[in-house]
Amino acid sequence: GENVEQHPSTLSVQEGDSAVIKCTYSDSASNYFPWYKQELGKGPQLIIDIRSNVGEKKDQRIAVTLNKTAKHFSLHITETQPEDSAVYFCAARGGNQFYFGTGTSLTVIP
Amino acid sequence: ETGVTQSPTHLIKTRGQQVTLRCSSQSGHNTVSWYQQALGQGPQFIFQYYREEENGRGNFPPRFSGLQFPNYSSELNVNALELDDSALYLCASSSAGGYTDTQYFGPGTRLTVL
Repeated sequence: GENVEQHPSTLSVQEGDSAVIKCTYSDSASNYFPWYKQELGKGPQLIIDIRSNVGEKKDQRIAVTLNKTAKHFSLHITETQPEDSAVYFCAARGGNQFYFGTGTSLTVIP
Repeated sequence: ETGVTQSPTHLIKTRGQQVTLRCSSQSGHNTVSWYQQALGQGPQFIFQYYREEENGRGNFPPRFSGLQFPNYSSELNVNALELDDSALYLCASSSAGGYTDTQYFGPGTRLTVL
């Protein structure tokens, strides 16, 4: 099955700086890659997603890039704000299942 | 538009007992997937229901079972609870039919097994 690895596991940035989280996947057949934000005590919230026929997608301060050849995709958050502090998960769809990374705990320091 | 809801919020059981968790899918969604999220880990796929039938299963034993009802709501049942079953159980709904597409998660049920 699919294997998704996510780095780093923790990330601290100053408010206003950028944050980058990287994921790799193993199954070249995977074709859909969502990113979720999970705040304490809540379920994961979809923040952005990308399909395998697209190399980059942007939504305001959030962007995702996908390199199919290298089998990696990244989340970029610009102009970080304290409310961006949360755990972020990447995922890859393999067949009918989603496989999640182990999460990145992002702390934005005011 | 109503989001995904789950009940109960928290649950405490003892080893060997049975538990039923419930999920109401987002309005217009006909597919429900269940995940187990252990502390500090990413969600692990348990199974998916579409058209009231199991439509894919992860690496979980048969004591994890489920149901989907005509209104697309769903139940997760776990028999013979073990200590390692303590986790956050998440339900996610989507509208792409049997081929899972964009999923939206509920708030989860926190299960503690003593």
